[in-house]
Amino acid sequence: EVQLVESGGSLVQPGGSLKLSCVASGFTFSNYWMDWVRQTPGKSLEWIGEINTDGSKTNYAPSIKDRFTISRDNAKSTLYLQMSNVKSDDTAIYYCTRRPYWGQGVMVTVSS
Amino acid sequence: DIVMTQGALPNPVPSGESASITCQSSKSLLHSNGKTYLNWYLQRPGQSPQLLIYWMSTRASGVSDRFSGSGSGTDFTLKISSVEAEDVGVYYCQQFLEYPRTFGGGTKLELK
Repeated sequence: EVQLVESGGSLVQPGGSLKLSCVASGFTFSNYWMDWVRQTPGKSLEWIGEINTDGSKTNYAPSIKDRFTISRDNAKSTLYLQMSNVKSDDTAIYYCTRRPYWGQGVMVTVSS
Repeated sequence: DIVMTQGALPNPVPSGESASITCQSSKSLLHSNGKTYLNWYLQRPGQSPQLLIYWMSTRASGVSDRFSGSGSGTDFTLKISSVEAEDVGVYYCQQFLEYPRTFGGGTKLELK
């Protein structure tokens, strides 16, 4: 059974940093591109970015480019999202996805 | 960015009736390979989004045949025949033709 389990969400101050993790199981992690998607409170979904199978290529949404970095460790079957210089607009549930599977999401709150 | 615009449903929808959800893209999602790069998702209350339809009209594994997708290059419809209680939630369309991947604002389905 495919499972994606995110962790690392918390309350962080504006301008701060946070690193989210997503541990994958039930499939060969190194064979799949992975994505991060977020959902702001009461609002729609926003694609954040993706990473290819070996981590050599990434694509990002303009809204977070140069502030967020996606990486992966295939040996640990783990996907990461490094968030820097966070803003209040980054408050959201963050989902790790491998089409068509989604994790349960992790909450990030940016507030002073 | 490609803008995805979803229509509203005349809620609540009587159980057993059909419902059609519309989505419009600001640019054609029809690729030269003949495929249309559109997904449909359902997010049930308290759950992560679930992929229903990809390539505009292909049902994802395990999805009921009560769900069907259709459309042209810019105008799309998700039809749910004989709406049931488990269909309640918010439906999203998403384009994956170009970066950044973009979602529609969501269409809520409520059951009568």
